[in-house]
Amino acid sequence: AQTVTQSQPEMSVQEAETVTLSCTYDTSESDYYLFWYKQPPSRQMILVIRQEAYKQQNATENRFSVNFQKAAKSFSLKISDSQLGDAAMYFCAYEGAQKLVFGQGTRLTINP
Amino acid sequence: KAGVTQTPRYLIKTRGQQVTLSCSPISGHRSVSWYQQTPGQGLQFLFEYFSETQRNKGNFPGRFSGRQFSNSRSEMNVSTLELGDSALYLCASRTGGGQETQYFGPGTRLLVL
Repeated sequence: AQTVTQSQPEMSVQEAETVTLSCTYDTSESDYYLFWYKQPPSRQMILVIRQEAYKQQNATENRFSVNFQKAAKSFSLKISDSQLGDAAMYFCAYEGAQKLVFGQGTRLTINP
Repeated sequence: KAGVTQTPRYLIKTRGQQVTLSCSPISGHRSVSWYQQTPGQGLQFLFEYFSETQRNKGNFPGRFSGRQFSNSRSEMNVSTLELGDSALYLCASRTGGGQETQYFGPGTRLLVL
């Protein structure tokens, strides 16, 4: 079974600084997708970024970028120029055979 | 386009009762998935429906069931509620062809007393 591990239950960063959230996963599948979702206090799950495993190029979305290391099964999220609105729970997720598996989440606090 | 909607947003039930939650996907999306979120277990996949057929199922007891209608709206039913069923139930939709991104609704918070 696939598993996703987020080793940092909590992280904090100063506003305008850069922070990196870690995620590792375990799978024997070769074709899969990886996601980072954000869940603010409203509890609405919002897609941050998505990475296809077959693509070598790391995905970027404005201030958000990933470092995808397929051999190491690592998928970290870098947030640049952190803003107060980035405060939320961040979930790393894996999808292989049509089933989304989530990590336990990292609570990110932004200090003004 | 309107997002995924879930009703009701909040629900209080007592042990032994049953409950039905509803999810309306984004227009044009034919796949609906359900997830349970609890502080202890995190986010867990319940099941996915595509074109009125259950396509995938998580490891939950038979008390948890679902269905999808021809307009892609989906309902989830939990019978004989237990205290441990208290959770946020999230619904997500996607177009359905494969591993596209899932878009989530705001969730239904269920409290079982």
